[in-house]
Amino acid sequence: ETGVTQSPTHLIKTRGQQVTLRCSSQSGHNTVSWYQQALGQGPQFIFQYYREEENGRGNFPPRFSGLQFPNYSSELNVNALELDDSALYLCASSPSRNYEQYFGPGTRLTVT
Amino acid sequence: AQSVTQLDSHVSVSEGTPVLLRCNYSSSYSPSLFWYVQHPNKGLQLLLKYTSAATLVKGINGFEAEFKKSETSFHLTKPSAHMSDAAEYFCVVRPMNTGFQKLVFGTGTRLLVSP
Repeated sequence: ETGVTQSPTHLIKTRGQQVTLRCSSQSGHNTVSWYQQALGQGPQFIFQYYREEENGRGNFPPRFSGLQFPNYSSELNVNALELDDSALYLCASSPSRNYEQYFGPGTRLTVT
Repeated sequence: AQSVTQLDSHVSVSEGTPVLLRCNYSSSYSPSLFWYVQHPNKGLQLLLKYTSAATLVKGINGFEAEFKKSETSFHLTKPSAHMSDAAEYFCVVRPMNTGFQKLVFGTGTRLLVSP
């Protein structure tokens, strides 16, 4: 059974640019959640997708958006990057909305 | 709002000695509580979870935690530390008043294990 995978592992972008991060959920999981983990902090919930629809959102601006595809993989898009967006972005999948979450290794985004 | 407070940012122990990582929670509802571990350059791994069954919860790698409602605590313990336990540990609460699973993380405790 393949776990949660994320790509790329590292990414460097310039302020004002746009970025897309990708996540493949664990087999059989229809729910994907995204978290932002700034250096030295705990992860912060960005949003959750369930069966291709946004199911809940944390305190992040609209320039953070996402998609979930029919195979339940997901993308996180961030527009107009700011320096404070530099962080580890974690994806987690679960069998349904209120079940245990399994995390991927994350994508390290650096904004210069 | 539901939250967790991890009382120590760093804990240092010697290999073979007990580990205690402290966590207090704030919740208006009966909470679901978790401990996750994060090794360098790796994703988060679930150690254990409390979901209103037994108050003493056993997890992987010899860790356990006790839910104490009177003290609003959910401390993580291990009888004997191993070098491989050195990592960042997060206490996590899952609010039960939403229609989706949003995990709320503490700020983390870095466990250092010396030989």
